[in-house]
Amino acid sequence: DAKTTQPNSMESNEEEPVHLPCNHSTISGTDYIHWYRQLPSQGPEYVIHGLTSNVNNRMASLAIAEDRKSSTLILHRATLRDAAVYYCILRGLRGAQKLVFGQGTRLTINP
Amino acid sequence: DTEVTQTPKHLVMGMTNKKSLKCEQHMGHRAMYWYKQKAKKPPELMFVYSYEKLSINESVPSRFSPECPNSSLLNLHLHALQPEDSALYLCASSQLSQGYEQYFGPGTRLTVT
Repeated sequence: DAKTTQPNSMESNEEEPVHLPCNHSTISGTDYIHWYRQLPSQGPEYVIHGLTSNVNNRMASLAIAEDRKSSTLILHRATLRDAAVYYCILRGLRGAQKLVFGQGTRLTINP
Repeated sequence: DTEVTQTPKHLVMGMTNKKSLKCEQHMGHRAMYWYKQKAKKPPELMFVYSYEKLSINESVPSRFSPECPNSSLLNLHLHALQPEDSALYLCASSQLSQGYEQYFGPGTRLTVT
């Protein structure tokens, strides 16, 4: 399984944008980039995924580098509720059901 | 309904007990998953069921026995567990197409004494 590298922790302020980076230099051409988050005392929650193009949904935006070796999850206006551990995961076509969670980034939001 | 429910929320069991964890979804998903999560660690995949058949077993000890009675239900039978098996057990479900986004339940907090 291709690996991802994320900072252990990040801190931001409420109502400001947050950019969460993820490096995946060994990504293969068919690997999708998925982001999940886990709020305290809850199960993980799907956030967004993409393959090559940038993606937007109601929760966040995903910016994917042209060479696909890195990506950035963007929370446009952070709230206290966005404090969570954010996981960047590569999902291959083969074994598409298999999610391998890395250590993730613990995001703290200051009021 | 995008909810995955898990029962019980908490479970304390002795090493000689037999217990079961239950998971249910009504989203029509044909894949269901069990994960184990130790404190301050990421979730680790244990089992995957696709179309009610076991498709992935991540070399989990036999004291954990999964069962998928139908497309909405997933059980995890526990027998002769060890204290190190104490963890949060998460169930998830997904479609078997498109983005394969997984929907997780809140988990069962298991303590083995």
